[in-house]
Amino acid sequence: GAVVSQHPSRVICKSGTSVKIECRSLDFQATTMFWYRQFPKQSLMLMATSNEGSKATYEQGVEKDKFLINHASLTLSTLTVTSAHPEDSSFYICSAPTSTGAGEQFFGPGTRLTVL
Amino acid sequence: QKEVEQNSGPLSVPEGAIASLNCTYSDRGSQSFFWYRQYSGKSPELIMFIYSNGDKEDGRFTAQLNKASQYVSLLIRDSQPSDSATYLCAVGFFGNEKLTFGTGTRLTIIP
Repeated sequence: GAVVSQHPSRVICKSGTSVKIECRSLDFQATTMFWYRQFPKQSLMLMATSNEGSKATYEQGVEKDKFLINHASLTLSTLTVTSAHPEDSSFYICSAPTSTGAGEQFFGPGTRLTVL
Repeated sequence: QKEVEQNSGPLSVPEGAIASLNCTYSDRGSQSFFWYRQYSGKSPELIMFIYSNGDKEDGRFTAQLNKASQYVSLLIRDSQPSDSATYLCAVGFFGNEKLTFGTGTRLTIIP
């Protein structure tokens, strides 16, 4: 299957700092990428859809000024958690659909964010 | 509101038996159906997808789709302890890359 990478895999930061997470499609181009958040023992929650060359589309209840998304190229999307607080501690996962148009999404390995 | 429903479990199955995971969806026009496996602390990985009514087999896994009943299932034959994970059902539409995920069923294979 298609390969999606994420960096970093784990980050610990102090409250009030900003954290940038990168998501890359390694062997295919992705005009769209998705960002999810998952709290322990809970389901995936879609945060936003990242669109190459245009603004991201955020799900209801997700603060676009807090979770900045930039889709800089056909293989890279970044999520920046600004002024992170302990309640932002979570598992952040990106995914990218293949070009088949049928909806198969491949997930990155995820980033574990801990805000102290 | 598009919904995908799964029994959260946990579902316990003896090793070697068949594990049956079920999923129902609310949007009758849904066209694509996916099963993902997620180990604890890891991201989801795609196991199977199915688009047409009927069965689709891949090794020990069989996906079953019944669009009339808005029901999709995943059967795991000869269950192994390594199959213990949370299984996520996802539903989508052709041409729309966004998927709607269920909350997942936690499966435990008992040695």
